[in-house]
Amino acid sequence: DVQLLESGGGLVQPGGSLRLSCAASGFTFGAYPMSWVRQAPGKGLEWVSTLTTGGETTFYADSVKGRFIISRDNSMNTLYLQMNSLRAEDTALYYCARSTFGGDIVSSMDVWGQGTTVTVSS
Amino acid sequence: DVVMTQSPLSLPVTLGQPASISCRSSQSLVYSDGNTYLNWYQQRPGQSPRRLIYKVSNRDSGVPDRFSGSGSGTDFTLKISRVEAEDVAIYYCMQGTHWPSFGGGTKVEIK
Repeated sequence: DVQLLESGGGLVQPGGSLRLSCAASGFTFGAYPMSWVRQAPGKGLEWVSTLTTGGETTFYADSVKGRFIISRDNSMNTLYLQMNSLRAEDTALYYCARSTFGGDIVSSMDVWGQGTTVTVSS
Repeated sequence: DVVMTQSPLSLPVTLGQPASISCRSSQSLVYSDGNTYLNWYQQRPGQSPRRLIYKVSNRDSGVPDRFSGSGSGTDFTLKISRVEAEDVAIYYCMQGTHWPSFGGGTKVEIK
């Protein structure tokens, strides 16, 4: 079965840092671009970041650019999101999503994890 | 940035009746390769999003054929031919032609 399992979420103070992980299984991880998508409580979906297959190229939403860093370890089948200078508006459920080639960055997200919750509050 | 606008926000439907959701983009979603990267997702209460449709009208494996997608350019539609109880969810359109963006969602509920 194709699976994505996020971890690393939690409660952090404004200005703090957190590192999310996404463990992939059931598919050739290194063959796919990967993305993070978040969902604030009671709100819709927001694309956060995408990383190409080899990790050579990264893309970020303006709302997180300069604060978040996406990376991957293809030998460990794991995607990461380093979140720095966190703000209250970063509070959300963060999903890891397998992505598909096409378009300017990725054409779609076809497999999603269960998400990990990040709460930024003092 | 490409803005995706969905309507209606909420859609009460009688079981067995059809439902239709509209999605409009602020720019054409036709990519230089000729493809239109418009997707539809279903998010049931308490669950992760699940892709239903990709490239406007292609159903994902396991998606019931009562779901269909159509449209072109900037106007797209998701139709459910006969709504079932398990279809209660929020539906999102998402474009992957430009930098990815999602519509605000349409909540389908049973009347």
